[in-house]
Amino acid sequence: GQQVMQIPQYQHVQEGEDFTTYCNSSTTLSNIQWYKQRPGGHPVFLIQLVKSGEVKKQKRLTFQFGEAKKNSSLHITATQTTDVGTYFCAEARLTGGGNKLTFGTGTQLKVEL
Amino acid sequence: DAGVIQSPRHEVTEMGQEVTLRCKPISGHDYLFWYRQTMMRGLELLIYFNNNVPIDDSGMPEDRFSAKMPNASFSTLKIQPSEPRDSAVYFCASSALGRGTYNEQFFGPGTRLTVL
Repeated sequence: GQQVMQIPQYQHVQEGEDFTTYCNSSTTLSNIQWYKQRPGGHPVFLIQLVKSGEVKKQKRLTFQFGEAKKNSSLHITATQTTDVGTYFCAEARLTGGGNKLTFGTGTQLKVEL
Repeated sequence: DAGVIQSPRHEVTEMGQEVTLRCKPISGHDYLFWYRQTMMRGLELLIYFNNNVPIDDSGMPEDRFSAKMPNASFSTLKIQPSEPRDSAVYFCASSALGRGTYNEQFFGPGTRLTVL
């Protein structure tokens, strides 16, 4: 079945450094949603990308959807300790009017002072 | 709105016992999802409902797992009998009707289940 792979699996950075996680699929993705899960917490929706080549920004976070819609990336500029957590991409497939999410494997980010 | 509510937050039980997890979705949301999260398998969709009707239960591991949604404000996930390999965090999530668009899912705080 459809698998969405994320790299890297883990990333340790010093506060102030940049961070990027990549989401890759062997097949064309209909869309991408990004979620963040803090340690001990639950996934929280960050953003959704639908169009080929789409780029969206949220403060220090930049989200991109590849031209071929087979990959996506999340880039954080100047990481802060509040960025700690696991970042998941997920493909949402429309089924009967709703979304069925297939989550990527996630990238765990640790930020050190 | 209080968001998605799950209970209990933690459950420790012995192998062979029945476990029931509960979820109250956000009012007005038409879709309800049950997920399981483990280190080995990540976040897995178990089953989801649309307007209280189960739509896709292909992710339910085996017959020991069952889920119900008797009304729009309540759902249960039951494991009977439980086994140690069922130990995981179980999340409930809800979303509004898509109407042809992709909608975000709102997750509850999860239930951490430990089966001894």
